Amino acid sequence: KAGVTQTPRYLIKTRGQQVTLSCSPISGHRSVSWYQQTPGQGLQFLFEYFSETQRNKGNFPGRFSGRQFSNSRSEMNVSTLELGDSALYLCASSLGLAGGAEQFFGPGTRLTVL
Amino acid sequence: AQSVAQPEDQVNVAEGNPLTVKCTYSVSGNPYLFWYVQYPNRGLQFLLKYITGDNLVKGSYGFEAEFNKSQTSFHLKKPSALVSDSALYFCAVRDIYGGSQGNLIFGKGTKLSVKP
Repeated sequence: KAGVTQTPRYLIKTRGQQVTLSCSPISGHRSVSWYQQTPGQGLQFLFEYFSETQRNKGNFPGRFSGRQFSNSRSEMNVSTLELGDSALYLCASSLGLAGGAEQFFGPGTRLTVL
Repeated sequence: AQSVAQPEDQVNVAEGNPLTVKCTYSVSGNPYLFWYVQYPNRGLQFLLKYITGDNLVKGSYGFEAEFNKSQTSFHLKKPSALVSDSALYFCAVRDIYGGSQGNLIFGKGTKLSVKP
């Protein structure tokens, strides 16, 4: 079974631009979560989607948004990019929202903001 | 607030020796605990989890972890380290009774270095 895929793998943008990242979960998984990883802040939760609905949201500004499609694929969007948005963005999928379900992570999208 | 602490930024071990990567947690209810490993330029790989039951949990690649409720700890262990175990290890918790049931709270990570 194919793992979680994320596209693109690398992205370079300039301040003020916007960016859209894509995530395809493992087949059959309906929950998709997004995390931001930076050397200073570590891994921080962005949001989680299940059945096309945002179920949980981390402490990030409104410039960060996401959505989930009927096939469970998810996108996240960052508008008005800032230098501090440079990070590895990880997507994770799981079968459901149950607390004990492990999340399976994709390889990440490395975003660099110049 | 829920939190996870990994007190060591780096752990150095000789190949063949046992290794321990420490993790302590703070949650308002019963915790669901996880360990993940991250290799350079890769995403996180699931190693093991504790939900309930036996305090000693066995996972992938020969790793195991011991849940200690009184010490609020969930240390990762392996009896004999391999050079290929060198990576970044993350402990994570999900508080099933909290408001954030959908996300994992990660520790800062511990870099494990295994020397031949």
